[in-house]
Amino acid sequence: LAKTTQPISMDSYEGQEVNITCSHNNIATNDYITWYQQFPSQGPRFIIQGYKTKVTNEVASLFIPADRKSSTLSLPRVSLSDTAVYYCLVGDWGTGGFKTIFGAGTRLFVKA
Amino acid sequence: DTAVSQTPKYLVTQMGNDKSIKCEQNLGHDTMYWYKQDSKKFLKIMFSYNNKELIINETVPNRFSPKSPDKAHLNLHINSLELGDSAVYFCASSQDVRVGYGYTFGSGTRLTVV
Repeated sequence: LAKTTQPISMDSYEGQEVNITCSHNNIATNDYITWYQQFPSQGPRFIIQGYKTKVTNEVASLFIPADRKSSTLSLPRVSLSDTAVYYCLVGDWGTGGFKTIFGAGTRLFVKA
Repeated sequence: DTAVSQTPKYLVTQMGNDKSIKCEQNLGHDTMYWYKQDSKKFLKIMFSYNNKELIINETVPNRFSPKSPDKAHLNLHINSLELGDSAVYFCASSQDVRVGYGYTFGSGTRLTVV
């Protein structure tokens, strides 16, 4: 399984754009990159998934360079409610689903 | 309607007891999982079931036994509970052929063994 490295924590202010970068140097050809958000006392919530280049949805954007050894989750204009832990996962959709391990994640704290 | 629901939300029990956690999903997904989140917040997969068949069993003690009566349910039974079993257990489901949709997690069961 590809190992991921993310910053342990980040601080931001409301209205700012937040970029969280994840390193995954040993990503395999079939691996996808997925990001989850977890609030206290809740299960992780799927944010976005991508394979290469750029993916955008109503919540975030995911930037993946050509070598795919890293990825950046971009949250536009964060609010206080975006304070959460953000997990970067790398793995493939083999039989039985996405076999991977969630790392420690990045704790984002948004201030007023 | 809750997509992935698990019960109970909190479970406090003594060492040596046997307990079960239930999980149900109404998303029509084919695959269900159990994850364990320890005190350091690391989430580790325990089991994965695809259409009622066990697919992944990640070095979990035999005291943990998942049971899937149908593809919408995946229960977790734990025998002879130990202090180290204290954690938050999350159930999740996915439609693994639909790349891009990810997992849907339940809200977790906080198990405390005393």
